[in-house]
Amino acid sequence: NAGVMQNPRHLVRRRGQEARLRCSPMKGHSHVYWYRQLPEEGLKFMVYLQKENIIDESGMPKERFSAEFPKEGPSILRIQQVVRGDSAAYFCASSPVGSRETQYFGPGTRLLVL
Amino acid sequence: QKEVEQNSGPLSVPEGAIASLNCTYSDRVSQSFFWYRQYSGKSPELIMSIYSNGDKEDGRFTAQLNKASQYVSLLIRDSQPSDSATYLCASDTGRRALTFGSGTRLQVQP
Repeated sequence: NAGVMQNPRHLVRRRGQEARLRCSPMKGHSHVYWYRQLPEEGLKFMVYLQKENIIDESGMPKERFSAEFPKEGPSILRIQQVVRGDSAAYFCASSPVGSRETQYFGPGTRLLVL
Repeated sequence: QKEVEQNSGPLSVPEGAIASLNCTYSDRVSQSFFWYRQYSGKSPELIMSIYSNGDKEDGRFTAQLNKASQYVSLLIRDSQPSDSATYLCASDTGRRALTFGSGTRLQVQP
């Protein structure tokens, strides 16, 4: 059983470039959550998606950040015009239908903005 | 006030001792609580979930919940150096996502 998959595991971008982070949930899971973790800090919720729907994006910055979870394919977190402050670990978690609370995390993508 | 609060630590215990990790939460609508373990540079790993007042045991781990006091704890018996990690407390506040504390760093001294 494959767990939550994220790629790339490490991503280096220069200021002003775009970053695309991908997440494939566990088999049978249709709920996806994105979190950001700054060094030495806790996890901060960003967005919660189901297939083709954004359920809660209250943790997403108003500008430059967007997320999608298409009918086919992985969920994508997109950061446009990255700045140094975007450097962080981005974790994706998934949960099965009807069990949103039990979340299983992927290995994360470490984004470094130069 | 943070919604989920934890002492950042480090909490240092000798090998074989009981490690006690504590967490308080402010939102009374919280129904479910979770403990995750995170090793440095790794992703969070679910250890325990608890939904009802009282104790829940799983191997060396015991989670305790007191909704009246808005308090959750995790006890680790017979602590091992491999238990050294950051422990994250999380609650489901009904807003469709978990709210995490900032974590407590545990160091188990051999």
